[in-house]
Amino acid sequence: DVHLVESGGGVVQPGGSLRLSCVVSGFPFTDYWMAWVRQSPGKGLEWVASLKLDDNEKFYVDSVEGRFTISRDNARNSLYLQMNSLRAEDTAVYYCVREDHSSYGYWGQGVLVSVSS
Amino acid sequence: EILLTQSPATLSVSPGERATLSCRASQSVSSNLAWYQQKPGQAPRLLIYGASTRATGIPARFSGSGSGTEFTLTISSLQSEDFAVYYCQQYKNWPPMYTFGQGTKLEI
Repeated sequence: DVHLVESGGGVVQPGGSLRLSCVVSGFPFTDYWMAWVRQSPGKGLEWVASLKLDDNEKFYVDSVEGRFTISRDNARNSLYLQMNSLRAEDTAVYYCVREDHSSYGYWGQGVLVSVSS
Repeated sequence: EILLTQSPATLSVSPGERATLSCRASQSVSSNLAWYQQKPGQAPRLLIYGASTRATGIPARFSGSGSGTEFTLTISSLQSEDFAVYYCQQYKNWPPMYTFGQGTKLEI
């Protein structure tokens, strides 16, 4: 079975940093693009960042460009999201997702990030 | 930026009825469109990709159609477990960019 398990969420003050992790199992991690998608409380879904197979090409939504960094460690079957200069509007549940056919076939359970003073 | 507009925002139907949900793109996305179902407290679930291909394990009552800018998700005979929020999502080839619609809530 495919599993994606996020960790690292929590409460952080505006301007602070947080690092999310996602450990995957049940599929060959190195064969798939991976991404982070977020959902603000009571709101819709927003793609945050994507990463190609070998950590060399990364893509971001404009609102996080320069503040967030997506990365992967293929030896550890892990995906990361380093979030710096956090803002109140970054408050959301963050999902680790696997890309299949230009869509997201597998999702983690999500981890809550709350940016508040 | 490609915007996706879903309609209606809320759709009230009865079990056994047919539901038709729409998603309109601000410019052509070819067939690069997916549909998701989300229930409260759960992660979204992929239903349809490539505009019309059902994902693994998705019942045949779910079908997708359309290309370019107009897309439709049809649920042929609603079951109680189908009441949820549905999102469409598009994929732009290069640079990669993904956009979700604002969602349609399907309620009894």
